[in-house]
Amino acid sequence: DTAVSQTPKYLVTQMGNDKSIKCEQNLGHDTMYWYKQDSKKFLKIMFSYNNKELIINETVPNRFSPKSPDKAHLNLHINSLELGDSAVYFCASSPGQGSFEAFFGQGTRLTVV
Amino acid sequence: LAKTTQPISMDSYEGQEVNITCSHNNIATNDYITWYQQFPSQGPRFIIQGYKTKVTNEVASLFIPADRKSSTLSLPRVSLSDTAVYYCLVGDSKAAGNKLTFGGGTRVLVKP
Repeated sequence: DTAVSQTPKYLVTQMGNDKSIKCEQNLGHDTMYWYKQDSKKFLKIMFSYNNKELIINETVPNRFSPKSPDKAHLNLHINSLELGDSAVYFCASSPGQGSFEAFFGQGTRLTVV
Repeated sequence: LAKTTQPISMDSYEGQEVNITCSHNNIATNDYITWYQQFPSQGPRFIIQGYKTKVTNEVASLFIPADRKSSTLSLPRVSLSDTAVYYCLVGDSKAAGNKLTFGGGTRVLVKP
């Protein structure tokens, strides 16, 4: 029973397309995150939500829009995909806003061609 | 968040103990030290967290000296499957609006 699950695991799409990545956690956590890991393997936080409210937005382009329909879900929608968006995107959750014990999903490898 | 410095990579052999030291000279009073492990093609996984002295769990031990300006993650008797990137994070885990900020990590390669 996966704690944090993301779909799809792989996503290959053309430039200019719009795509979504879904994330669900069954841990009962209040806080969820999206991280981006680029080709150099640096992990950068993109967004953080607490109880469906946006807490952190790390100067991510407006083309990226997170949506949290409930506290167990945090989806990421990306408009007008660019080559530079190619990366692995990780969803994570934690018990509280400041908790450092986060649980990560398996990642979604996005390739824009 | 306190800045952390850790070696870029380390090589080891099966059965050896691996010690990874992380420097965090400007650690604040309320900051905790947390370590994550990331296997290839997987998300990071929480390993251990501590505030001072020594913490041990089934995966690793964390040694923190009295001045807390550094910490050492110790992996006992590593196996090939311990090959991963290990991240040291420092911050106040109880502060609202806080966030996990990952540095470059230490790439540990365990050889047969």
